[in-house]
Amino acid sequence: QKEVEQNSGPLSVPEGAIASLNCTYSDRGSQSFFWYRQYSGKSPELIMSIYSNGDKEDGRFTAQLNKASQYVSLLIRDSQPSDSATYLCAVNINRNAGNMLTFGGGTRLMVKP
Amino acid sequence: DADVTQTPRNRITKTGKRIMLECSQTKGHDRMYWYRQDPGLGLQLIYYSFDVKDINKGEISDGYSVSRQAQAKFSLSLESAIPNQTALYFCATSDSTGRATGELFFGEGSRLTVL
Repeated sequence: QKEVEQNSGPLSVPEGAIASLNCTYSDRGSQSFFWYRQYSGKSPELIMSIYSNGDKEDGRFTAQLNKASQYVSLLIRDSQPSDSATYLCAVNINRNAGNMLTFGGGTRLMVKP
Repeated sequence: DADVTQTPRNRITKTGKRIMLECSQTKGHDRMYWYRQDPGLGLQLIYYSFDVKDINKGEISDGYSVSRQAQAKFSLSLESAIPNQTALYFCATSDSTGRATGELFFGEGSRLTVL
């Protein structure tokens, strides 16, 4: 089992719809969770971080965390073609040298006009 | 100018050649990382450094070595490149305090092709 798992997609949604991206993780002790966005041919950039159970909203983005189910999700409201990218879930996982950020394989999102 | 700069951005080389990828940062971060990205596999950690005197292996360190020449510089070497090291390589930095350790700042990437 991978430590951080995402459906690779592509997830296709029409413009204006809600895109829902999901991620599960294996380390019950993880405390920090992140979503990075990566446009094709570009480097990843951080868009959301979440540390407590529940929802965290930032503009059109909402991150949701459920530590009991080891599940973190990203909702994008009013999806725009410019949101088309690969979204990487990242989780701080405890290793011998300390907490290390571990990435999932990413979900490719396509928003169609 | 970018806060995290990688050179070269693109490199084509032959099997058996030694290759060095360089990374420099102006963010003043203590922590630096080298990741490899292959299609569909996300980012895999090669090596990381928490300060100039601290170097640690990541998930896929075999075939790679690193040098932390200064707080701002972290280089990745492939001593004898092989075709399955063809990938996109990213350098990243992070602060060392609390939650900021998960907030990575990436360079623009170095695309390496080994023939």
